[in-house]
Amino acid sequence: DTEVTQTPKHLVMGMTNKKSLKCEQHMGHRAMYWYKQKAKKPPELMFVYSYEKLSINESVPSRFSPECPNSSLLNLHLHALQPEDSALYLCASSQVGMGVGTPDGYTFGSGTRLTVV
Amino acid sequence: GENVEQHPSTLSVQEGDSAVIKCTYSDSASNYFPWYKQELGKRPQLIIDIRSNVGEKKDQRIAVTLNKTAKHFSLHITETQPEDSAVYFCAAPRGPILTGGGNKLTFGTGTQLKVEL
Repeated sequence: DTEVTQTPKHLVMGMTNKKSLKCEQHMGHRAMYWYKQKAKKPPELMFVYSYEKLSINESVPSRFSPECPNSSLLNLHLHALQPEDSALYLCASSQVGMGVGTPDGYTFGSGTRLTVV
Repeated sequence: GENVEQHPSTLSVQEGDSAVIKCTYSDSASNYFPWYKQELGKRPQLIIDIRSNVGEKKDQRIAVTLNKTAKHFSLHITETQPEDSAVYFCAAPRGPILTGGGNKLTFGTGTQLKVEL
C-alpha cells in the first residue's frame, strides 16, 4: 500500500460546529504531517508528528487540534473555525530522517476540501 | 527558518520544447530538495528529488540540478508533453534532515507550467 487516505474529501461546516479530518497510511512511515493549502498557493506546514509525538506546531490557532492515535492514523479536530480557514487540508507521511536507500519524500493524501460558512 | 524562492511563476512552452524552473534556498544546512507536481484539484506528487551530496539526478525526461555554493536548484523537463501541464513546487527542509523530528519542508511559491500543442 503506497497511499495516504484522507476522509472526508469535502466538508462544509458552520462556525460553531465541531468536526474531524482523518488520515491513514500503511507504509510504515513514522512521520506524519498536516498542511494547509489555499488556492494558487503552496502548502503551508501546520503540524508534524514523529513517532506519534507532536514535534512541530507552526503556531497554529488552538481551534485546530491534531491527534495521532497510532503510527497509521492522524486526525485533525476542528472547532469554532472562521471562514478564512476554508482551504484544502493535506495530510502527508514520510520516513523519519534520511536513510541510505530510503525514499525521502512526502506522500500526500488527496486532501479534504474544507468550506467554513 | 528556510526561505525558498521559485521562478518563474508561470511558464508556457510548445510541446516538445524544454522547460526549466529554478529555486533558491536560504539555509545552507538544507540537505534534501524535492520537486512536486500538482495537477488541478489533485494532491502534490513527488516527481524527483536530490540530496545535497549529488549535483544532478535524472529520471527519463526529468532532471534536477543542484548548486550548493549558490544555493539554488533547478528542474529540467525535456520533450514536454501536454500532460506535463500542472503546477510545480520545489521544496527545501529547514535545516538538515536528521534522524527523528520529521522532514520540515518549506515549499516554493509554485510554477504554473502550460504545454501548448
